[in-house]
Amino acid sequence: KAGVTQTPRYLIKTRGQQVTLSCSPISGHRSVSWYQQTPGQGLQFLFEYFSETQRNKGNFPGRFSGRQFSNSRSEMNVSTLELGDSALYLCASSFSPTTGGYTFGSGTRLTVV
Amino acid sequence: DAKTTQPNSMESNEEEPVHLPCNHSTISGTDYIHWYRQLPSQGPEYVIHGLTSNVNNRMASLAIAEDRKSSTLILHRATLRDAAVYYCILKNNNAGNMLTFGGGTRLMVKP
Repeated sequence: KAGVTQTPRYLIKTRGQQVTLSCSPISGHRSVSWYQQTPGQGLQFLFEYFSETQRNKGNFPGRFSGRQFSNSRSEMNVSTLELGDSALYLCASSFSPTTGGYTFGSGTRLTVV
Repeated sequence: DAKTTQPNSMESNEEEPVHLPCNHSTISGTDYIHWYRQLPSQGPEYVIHGLTSNVNNRMASLAIAEDRKSSTLILHRATLRDAAVYYCILKNNNAGNMLTFGGGTRLMVKP
């Protein structure tokens, strides 16, 4: 059974650019969440999607956005990149987020220069 | 949000049991206790979760205090592959499905 797939694995962008990260959840999982991990702030929740609807959003500026497609695949976008956006971005999917656990991908390492 | 307190780090010897503690004195009645671990260069991995009763699965056991103000993750025989950061998380399904990660406990396993 394929796990959560995130692409690309590594990315280098310049300040001011925008970036789109992709996440393919486990087949049958309709809930997809995104997290940001930095050495200073640890793991922080960005947003959660379920059946193409954003259900929850973390405390991040509006430059961070996401969406989910009808096949449950999800993308997150960060516009006007800042140096502080350099982080590991993790996607997690769940079949039943209220009763079960999440399966995380290996993440996309974004470096902003 | 109810918070958890975990030791920053712990050491264990290979093939010995490991007890990872977590304090959550402000836990509410609807908070589930979740444990995840993160191995180096990987995303977090779900370990186990419970509400009131002790839970067992193939990876670990979760012992929950009777007053629910603390819990302990038990790895029955630590291996070198269990070296990771272990996160104890309170998840309230009524407040959304997000996981609020703290600093976790870095477990080191000595051969």
